[in-house]
This record gives sequence, structure tokens and C-alpha cells, in this order.
Amino acid sequence: DTEVTQTPKHLVMGMTNKKSLKCEQHMGHRAMYWYKQKAKKPPELMFVYSYEKLSINESVPSRFSPECPNSSLLNLHLHALQPEDSALYLCASSQDPTGGFNEQFFGPGTRLTVL
Amino acid sequence: AQSVTQLDSQVPVFEEAPVELRCNYSSSVSVYLFWYVQYPNQGLQLLLKYLSGSTLVKSINGFEAEFNKSQTSFHLRKPSVHISDTAEYFCAVSDAGNNRKLIWGLGTSLAVNP
Repeated sequence: DTEVTQTPKHLVMGMTNKKSLKCEQHMGHRAMYWYKQKAKKPPELMFVYSYEKLSINESVPSRFSPECPNSSLLNLHLHALQPEDSALYLCASSQDPTGGFNEQFFGPGTRLTVL
Repeated sequence: AQSVTQLDSQVPVFEEAPVELRCNYSSSVSVYLFWYVQYPNQGLQLLLKYLSGSTLVKSINGFEAEFNKSQTSFHLRKPSVHISDTAEYFCAVSDAGNNRKLIWGLGTSLAVNP
């Protein structure tokens, strides 16, 4: 299995809602990433988990809360989002973050709309 | 700090014509180089990568890119494009010393017209 899966594909939520995005990989990768991507822009790194520990937080607002329950799963909990948070949220994984080369495999993304 | 420049934001081209999408990076220290493609309404797919060795790397669908250390470039080329190549193309660089982060170019939108 060489893919990263993400659910849901689309999500519409109000500013007072709480929702979660899910990401799963079964490639044995030990690093997992969350990115935010606006239309026609490159992805912006949000969080990196390395061996199930949060290793990078790119100063993301606390209304985004990541969780890594195990080495295959990555969640992004959303609460009190703003309309400007509407974007494509991409999950990625890579084999060994402490090694040399670290190719990232991306999922198809969750398209989030905040009303 | 490392930066990536994609010189063309949009490239319109006719089907079966050749195309070159340009990418330059700032630092000459040891780097890994990538081209990712994003088709409409989809996620990112790795198209090509340069890690070491041969400076010319090729994809299975006819794209190739050449690493030029002296010019700090990694341009993407295809001799004959198809309508299905219409997509956003992103060049990215990873420092060998900080391989958790990819530094991204702003992207080039390739539009192949019949």
C-alpha cells in the first residue's frame, strides 16, 4: 500500500462547530505532516510529527489541534474556525525524518469551507 | 535561508509542443530537489526527484529535469505535451541538513490547449 488516505473529502462547517480531519498511511512511515493550501498557491506547512511526537508547529493558531494516536494515523481537530481558514488541507508522510532523504507522499486532501 | 523561484507563473502551450518550466533555488549547499504536480481538484503527486548521481532525471510520463549545480537550477522539460498535462507544477527543495521541511516555489500553471 503506497498511498495516504484522507477523510472526509469535503467538509463544510460553521464558525462554532467542532470537526476533525483524518489521515492514514500504511507505508510504515514515521513522519507525518499537515499542510494548508490556498488555491493556486504552494502548500504551507502547519505541523510535523516525528515518531508520533510533535516536532514542528509553524506558529499555527490554537483553533487547529493536531493529534497522532499511532504511527499510522494523524488527526487535525478544528474548533472555532474563521472563514479565512477555508482551504485544501493536505496530509503527507515520509519514511524516516532522521535519515538523509525524506520524500513526502501526499494524500488527496480535504477541502474545507468555513461559513 | 533557502528559497525557490519559479520564473513563470503561467505557461500556455499548444498540444504536442515542447515545454520548459523553470526553477531556481538559492543555496548551493547539498540539497534534494523535487517537482510535484497537482491536477485540478486533486492532491500533490511527486513527478521527479533529484537526490544524487545522474543530473538528468526522468519520469514515466515523458517529463525530465536536469540538476545544474553551477546555475542552481532544476528546470522541468517535456518534448511534446498532452492536454492531460494541464496542471499546477511546484518545484521544491529540501536542505540535506533539515529534511523535514520542503521549501516550495510559487508554482507554474501549465495550460495545454488543443
